[in-house]
Amino acid sequence: GQQLNQSPQSMFIQEGEDVSMNCTSSSIFNTWLWYKQDPGEGPVLLIALYKAGELTSNGRLTAQFGITRKDSFLNISASIPSDVGIYFCAGLTSGTYKYIFGTGTRLKVLA
Amino acid sequence: KAGVTQTPRYLIKTRGQQVTLSCSPISGHRSVSWYQQTPGQGLQFLFEYFSETQRNKGNFPGRFSGRQFSNSRSEMNVSTLELGDSALYLCASSLGHSSTDTQYFGPGTRLTVL
Repeated sequence: GQQLNQSPQSMFIQEGEDVSMNCTSSSIFNTWLWYKQDPGEGPVLLIALYKAGELTSNGRLTAQFGITRKDSFLNISASIPSDVGIYFCAGLTSGTYKYIFGTGTRLKVLA
Repeated sequence: KAGVTQTPRYLIKTRGQQVTLSCSPISGHRSVSWYQQTPGQGLQFLFEYFSETQRNKGNFPGRFSGRQFSNSRSEMNVSTLELGDSALYLCASSLGHSSTDTQYFGPGTRLTVL
């Protein structure tokens, strides 16, 4: 079945550093979504992207919908301790109504 | 607008029992998806309902079933519980009629099987 490769799997960074993570797919997506999940809670939507090349920001977060429609990137600037969590990407293909999820990037911020 | 709600939040059952979890989507959303999340497996798709019909299905045994009501609320049932069914069960809703859609998650139900 369809798979999303999300990298890195985990990362430790210093507070104040910028963070980048990405997802790549073998399939073309019409929608890319980025979520953050805290332990024991449901994923919270951070950014939604609907158009190839689209660049969208939400505070210190910026995400881009790749031109090929097969990848997406999430950047976090000036990380803070509350950025700790697991970040998931998800893609939606035309006509399926079934979201494909990445395996997640576990972010740990060292104060 | 209220978000996706799930009840109960926590549940403890013993092997062999069955369990029913409930999900109320965001008002106006007609698609409800269910996911199982375990520490080592990430988000595993169970099934998706739209207008009371199962439209997509994951690779789970028949012990896992669901349904959707006319008000878009959905229930998920697991029969003959096994220890490996212990997980966080997440429900998510979306409008469900476009390939440019956004899915929102509920807080999840933490199921522990003893």
